[in-house]
Amino acid sequence: SQTIHQWPATLVQPVGSPLSLECTVEGTSNPNLYWYRQAAGRGLQLLFYSVGIGQISSEVPQNLSASRPQDRQFILSSKKLLLSDSGFYLCAWSTQLRETQYFGPGTRLLVL
Amino acid sequence: SQQGEEDPQALSIQEGENATMNCSYKTSINNLQWYRQNSGRGLVHLILIRSNEREKHSGRLRVTLDTSKKSSSLLITASRAADTASYFCAVILTGGGNKLTFGTGTQLKVEL
Repeated sequence: SQTIHQWPATLVQPVGSPLSLECTVEGTSNPNLYWYRQAAGRGLQLLFYSVGIGQISSEVPQNLSASRPQDRQFILSSKKLLLSDSGFYLCAWSTQLRETQYFGPGTRLLVL
Repeated sequence: SQQGEEDPQALSIQEGENATMNCSYKTSINNLQWYRQNSGRGLVHLILIRSNEREKHSGRLRVTLDTSKKSSSLLITASRAADTASYFCAVILTGGGNKLTFGTGTQLKVEL
């Protein structure tokens, strides 16, 4: 069966520090991968998606970047965090053919 | 801008009652999906309805889709305390690949 992992679960970082959030998927090959951000009490905003290794599409201009160094690994990064980067970050995957997305447990990021 | 707008934003009912949530969207879609999110957790896919379908059932869930009104409803029958969660609709826009656009969600509280 397929599983998706995200870590860390919670992160508190100072403004201006770097960020690296990791997401890995097991049990499937060549998935589509997605990074979302969810502000408190709000819906999800798609940040990045990837249809293959090294292929990243950015949905909104921002302080963040994403990379996909391996087929089932998706990394969200920042060189310098802003206060506005605080939020709940969710990784998701889907197959190339089906539209249903499967979400990881999320990382809660607080930038102080 | 958000494609899916849920209504109501919050709903509180007694166990055993039915809960109805509505979602409206703005443009042509391929399909509409409903997801559930327990507090502080990732999202779980509940049901997908395609643009050529009008109604779909899954257990205690019933989803309807009216493409002429660009709206959908999610009905949870005989609600349980365990149904307490936030519920989001998400659409895949025509020509949008597999990218989901989420609404802002309905917070459902089922009281004993």
